[in-house]
Amino acid sequence: KQEVTQIPAALSVPEGENLVLNCSFTDSAIYNLQWFRQDPGKGLTSLLLIQSSQREQTSGRLNASLDKSSGRSTLYIAASQPGDSATYLCAVDSNYQLIWGAGTKLIIKP
Amino acid sequence: EAGVTQSPTHLIKTRGQQATLRCSPISGHTSVYWYQQALGLGLQFLLWYDEGEERNRGNFPPRFSGRQFPNYSSELNVNALELEDSALYLCASNVPTAANYGYTFGSGTRLTVV
Repeated sequence: KQEVTQIPAALSVPEGENLVLNCSFTDSAIYNLQWFRQDPGKGLTSLLLIQSSQREQTSGRLNASLDKSSGRSTLYIAASQPGDSATYLCAVDSNYQLIWGAGTKLIIKP
Repeated sequence: EAGVTQSPTHLIKTRGQQATLRCSPISGHTSVYWYQQALGLGLQFLLWYDEGEERNRGNFPPRFSGRQFPNYSSELNVNALELEDSALYLCASNVPTAANYGYTFGSGTRLTVV
């Protein structure tokens, strides 16, 4: 049974710092991995999608990596801004069913 | 291009009643997925519809059901509502046969059972 874990559960850093969010999964047989952002009480915004054959994806200040063999993904946020404050969720696609981590709640202090 | 749209935004029902939630996928997307996000339980997979057929369901009782219409929009029905059904229900869509078929989510329906 696929399980997804995100560390840390919460993170508070001053504006401008570079930071790394971690996601691990137990079964390497995945179709893809997707990172999402969720603002309080809102829906999910897709940030980056990494297919199982890829190692990383980049979008602006965001970079996500995938190491299937070790069951790990990281989301790197460069030069953090207060607007980056949100919960970041990692989801693994196992046979058209997303298995979710519990998320990392990120607070960027001005 | 319009995104995934869900209605209503908020829904308040009494225990024992039925709730109907609606989802319109992105134009051209054939699959619709439903997820429940209950407080303290995280996101859980509910149902997957593709080309009008139910393809998979998560570990939820039969009172959670739905359908997909010929225009690919979908309804989620929850019968005999219980207090613990209170949650944010999220709908996503994609084309599962595409080479790069990530999921696009709507803003959700907040269901409150009183």
